[in-house]
Amino acid sequence: EDKVVQSPLSLVVHEGDTVTLNCSYEVTNFRSLLWYKQEKKAPTFLFMLTSSGIEKKSGRLSSILDKKELFSILNITATQTGDSAVYLCAVSFMDSNYQLIWGAGTKLIIKP
Amino acid sequence: GAGVSQSPSNKVTEKGKDVELRCDPISGHTALYWYRQRLGQGLEFLIYFQGNSAPDKSGLPSDRFSAERTGESVSTLTIQRTQQEDSAVYLCASSLATSSYNEQFFGPGTRLTVL
Repeated sequence: EDKVVQSPLSLVVHEGDTVTLNCSYEVTNFRSLLWYKQEKKAPTFLFMLTSSGIEKKSGRLSSILDKKELFSILNITATQTGDSAVYLCAVSFMDSNYQLIWGAGTKLIIKP
Repeated sequence: GAGVSQSPSNKVTEKGKDVELRCDPISGHTALYWYRQRLGQGLEFLIYFQGNSAPDKSGLPSDRFSAERTGESVSTLTIQRTQQEDSAVYLCASSLATSSYNEQFFGPGTRLTVL
């Protein structure tokens, strides 16, 4: 059965700390891995990763994919209270242009 | 431009009642998705519309759930005879035509509580 597993389920750190969130997957015919940030209700897109070893970066956030070991990490440096959110990982696969398999998310809390 | 909008933002209903949730996608987005998210869980695919093609209803959990879409605009998700386990946030997303995977843009969701 295809699945996406995120860890940890929740994480509490202090402002300024660096955090690493993990997403591992077992998906047949993998196409891409996506990261979303969910504050309140609506997830917003962060990154889409298709190739191994190529880091994607946006400000203090960065992500990389390892297609051999079947995982991705999302790094956030110099965390701020505004980074508090649930971070969702999802995987798309070749058999579908639209279906995604979602992880349960990591709830990140940044304390001032 | 306007993003995806959903209404109502919150809905409290009694067990056994019918509810209707509405989604207005981004103009020009031919693909529309409905998801359910239970507390502390990931997104669960419900249904997918793409232009005039037959929708993919494979994620609908029971025949109490149905959805319609008017052309390439508004969609409504209807839950009949609601049960307590239907309590969740219902998210709608839209994207450009999916010749390959395209980023999904999400609405703010409707939080449904069934008493």
